[in-house]
Amino acid sequence: QVQLQESGPGLVKSSETLSLTCSVSGGPVTSGSYHWNWIRQSPGKGLEWIGNIYYNEKTNYNPSLKSRVTISLDWPKNQFSLKVTSVSATDTGVYYCAREVEVGALDYWGLGTLVTVSS
Amino acid sequence: SYEVTQPLSVSVALGQTARITCAGDNIGDKNVHWYQQKPGQAPVVVLYRSTNRASGIPERFSGSNSGNTATLIISRVQAGDEADFSCQVWDKSVAVFGGGTKLTVL
Repeated sequence: QVQLQESGPGLVKSSETLSLTCSVSGGPVTSGSYHWNWIRQSPGKGLEWIGNIYYNEKTNYNPSLKSRVTISLDWPKNQFSLKVTSVSATDTGVYYCAREVEVGALDYWGLGTLVTVSS
Repeated sequence: SYEVTQPLSVSVALGQTARITCAGDNIGDKNVHWYQQKPGQAPVVVLYRSTNRASGIPERFSGSNSGNTATLIISRVQAGDEADFSCQVWDKSVAVFGGGTKLTVL
């Protein structure tokens, strides 16, 4: 059974860097069958895609966030990570990691982790 | 950049059919995926590639996609179907989500 779990600080100060990790169990992140995604949801708002990474470390990012976002893979730990620099209050929200299958759907999601940016 | 638009809310009587739309330029040429999200929970995929039910999703859930509109159809709506529903497509390796539709069961 595939499971994903987000971890990281729940509180980040404005202008600093948000760092989260997604731990994957039930399958290797090095599988060529999947992309590994980060999505966020601001309070009371819709889902916003942040970016993804493939087993060969090729990444794609949301153009609106690209200048501040880095997604990386840690295959020995079977994890992938997200960094968002220069955060502000608009970066507050629940951050999800998710597995993307070949047809493009996100079939397994983590439970999500709330990150609050404080001034 | 590509955009998809959903109605903010849809209301339907218990046992009736709900239709939730996702509008985008020539969206019929794209694969549309639909997610259901209940309060405090992560999204769950209900349909993939516009018309295919994900594992464990009841046959009451179906979809269509043509022209500029994709539609999620929920037949014989139950109280437990009340949730937010979001559509998602890919455009040039970028995922695009609709703003989400709150389904209310009356």
